[in-house]
Amino acid sequence: GAGVSQSPRYKVTKRGQDVTLRCDPISSHATLYWYQQALGQGPEFLTYFNYEAQPDKSGLPSDRFSAERPEGSISTLTIQRTEQRDSAMYRCASSPQSGGVTDTQYFGPGTRLTVL
Amino acid sequence: AQSVTQLGSHVSVSEGALVLLRCNYSSSVPPYLFWYVQYPNQGLQLLLKYTSAATLVKGINGFEAEFKKSETSFHLTKPSAHMSDAAEYFCAVTDNAGNMLTFGGGTRLMVKP
Repeated sequence: GAGVSQSPRYKVTKRGQDVTLRCDPISSHATLYWYQQALGQGPEFLTYFNYEAQPDKSGLPSDRFSAERPEGSISTLTIQRTEQRDSAMYRCASSPQSGGVTDTQYFGPGTRLTVL
Repeated sequence: AQSVTQLGSHVSVSEGALVLLRCNYSSSVPPYLFWYVQYPNQGLQLLLKYTSAATLVKGINGFEAEFKKSETSFHLTKPSAHMSDAAEYFCAVTDNAGNMLTFGGGTRLMVKP
């Protein structure tokens, strides 16, 4: 696609419900990242994928958070049993190469999650 | 561990005035540094990046930044602010240890007519 897309753009859910966020990266991009951005703060790393492999998930806040990229393209981030502290903007980014530390990361518009 | 500090969460300048947004980093290995801009309801967009070539980096929209190792800084400047520069700006660092970006807290730039 022309850019990174994310859906839904906005999600309101009740505490205790599960939510799944979707990211569609730029086609052919090898690497995909998930970040969490709380209001008034910079994005914080959650996890990333090289194709379908997930080398680093050290930023996931708890075992309620999980991510997949089964075919090396679209990715989903699932939060189980949501809590109010999970309310944030969730940003996805992709970059062309696997292991390209100086590659530009191209960001999607984000999903604003609100947990009531 | 890496970290980024952006001094001033809000900066206000007059149209036509110099823009200076400050960024200091901490990294145990030579860093790669980035500036991203975020316009309302949009994703972060890369302004410029330092990848150990020239220390003075020119980016889009007339912005530039200078890597100063002795000061562990990577401040963003623009000689003359435009109204369209009003946005939030994020400095970020990465290194050879991993692909992830570590972001600063952001600086919101306001441009007064």
